[in-house]
Amino acid sequence: KAGVTQTPRYLIKTRGQQVTLSCSPISGHRSVSWYQQTPGQGLQFLFEYFSETQRNKGNFPGRFSGRQFSNSRSEMNVSTLELGDSALYLCASRPDREAYEQYFGPGTRLTVT
Amino acid sequence: GQSLEQPSEVTAVEGAIVQINCTYQTSGFYGLSWYQQHDGGAPTFLSYNALDGLEETGRFSSFLSRSDSYGYLLLQELQMKDSASYFCAVSSGGYQKVTFGTGTKLQVIP
Repeated sequence: KAGVTQTPRYLIKTRGQQVTLSCSPISGHRSVSWYQQTPGQGLQFLFEYFSETQRNKGNFPGRFSGRQFSNSRSEMNVSTLELGDSALYLCASRPDREAYEQYFGPGTRLTVT
Repeated sequence: GQSLEQPSEVTAVEGAIVQINCTYQTSGFYGLSWYQQHDGGAPTFLSYNALDGLEETGRFSSFLSRSDSYGYLLLQELQMKDSASYFCAVSSGGYQKVTFGTGTKLQVIP
């Protein structure tokens, strides 16, 4: 089976712009979670989608949003980018919400200048 | 909300044993997981504990005490390739949200 894929792998944006990141989960996995990783902050939970519905949400401002499509692929969007949004954005999938093992993609490195 | 605490850095000698502790506060606890992340890589799953006790997988073991809200990851016969960051994570709540700690950077020295 192919692993979790994320596109693009690297992105440079300017403050005030918006960005959309994409994640394709492992085939058959219906749950997709998004995390922001910055040095010293670990992996901070953004949100989780299951069957096209947001099931869990972290403590991020409304500028961060996401969605999931019927094929389980997910996108996350960040509007009005700030310098502090520079981070590695990781996507993880699991078969369903009861599965405890998450499979991570390689991440998208976002740099905001 | 959830909170997890683990040491930020640990240094250990090749061939030795190291223990990485994790304490957590959460409601609706389901289980505690451990992930390994090498620099520049993605986190990979190591282990999961839902019940009290020790789970062993090769050189790695993980322990959980639900009453103490505490767990640890034990790495034996350390190898240089074990140098990485290790994250504990709790699964909690109705949809078993997974929340990660800030990670412990393990450096294995010769």
